[in-house]
Amino acid sequence: IVLTQSPGILSLSPGERATLSCRASQSLSSSKLAWYQQRPGQAPRLLIYGASSRTTGISDRFSGSGSGTDFTLVISRLEPEDFAVYYCQQYGGSPTFGQGTKVEIK
Amino acid sequence: QVQLVESGGGVVQAGGSLRLSCAASGFTFITYGMHWVRQSPGKGLEWVGVISFGGSTQYYPDSVRGRFTISRDNSNNTLFLQMSSLSAEDTAVYYCAKEASPYTSGWYWDYWGQGTLVTVSS
Repeated sequence: IVLTQSPGILSLSPGERATLSCRASQSLSSSKLAWYQQRPGQAPRLLIYGASSRTTGISDRFSGSGSGTDFTLVISRLEPEDFAVYYCQQYGGSPTFGQGTKVEIK
Repeated sequence: QVQLVESGGGVVQAGGSLRLSCAASGFTFITYGMHWVRQSPGKGLEWVGVISFGGSTQYYPDSVRGRFTISRDNSNNTLFLQMSSLSAEDTAVYYCAKEASPYTSGWYWDYWGQGTLVTVSS
């Protein structure tokens, strides 16, 4: 299953809303999609699983939605620590990742 | 707290072998499936394989099947990745990662190690 993320780069200011998209090449059963945040020099960090369930300890500024082939991660109000690369990952079959969306400071 | 600490990375010649280890602590290791995931600048994040919580089952993607073997020592809370017939395409940071729920096959990961760099030189 191929995951395509858009846009590749999102240039925004702190306090703005970020909307990230992830499209799957085939429908994901039971919305088996996760989102990760990766800061420079760090391992990926799980934000969302099951397309919309937030992991313990993750701010409610992060929300996931979608089903089938189209999924979205929204960061409601960007904080300085949110500027990072975000990856979607599907686990409906052999796990695969999207190529990432970099959220950078405008 | 959960900790995953990889070791064993380094520079290896093409065609060579390397064994990575991942020392786990802070959770009941024997109840969780464990995975390896790698990241390279050219290929992004790539799942490398899984071993079930009991150690009886492993799955691999086509890119490494037959060359990589995952094993675990549940008495010492350690995960291993044995890599052979390495090529430049295997150059990456290798992470071990813990499944988010015990006993299940939900293949997404709530804790990752810091990663260990493997460089395959030609």
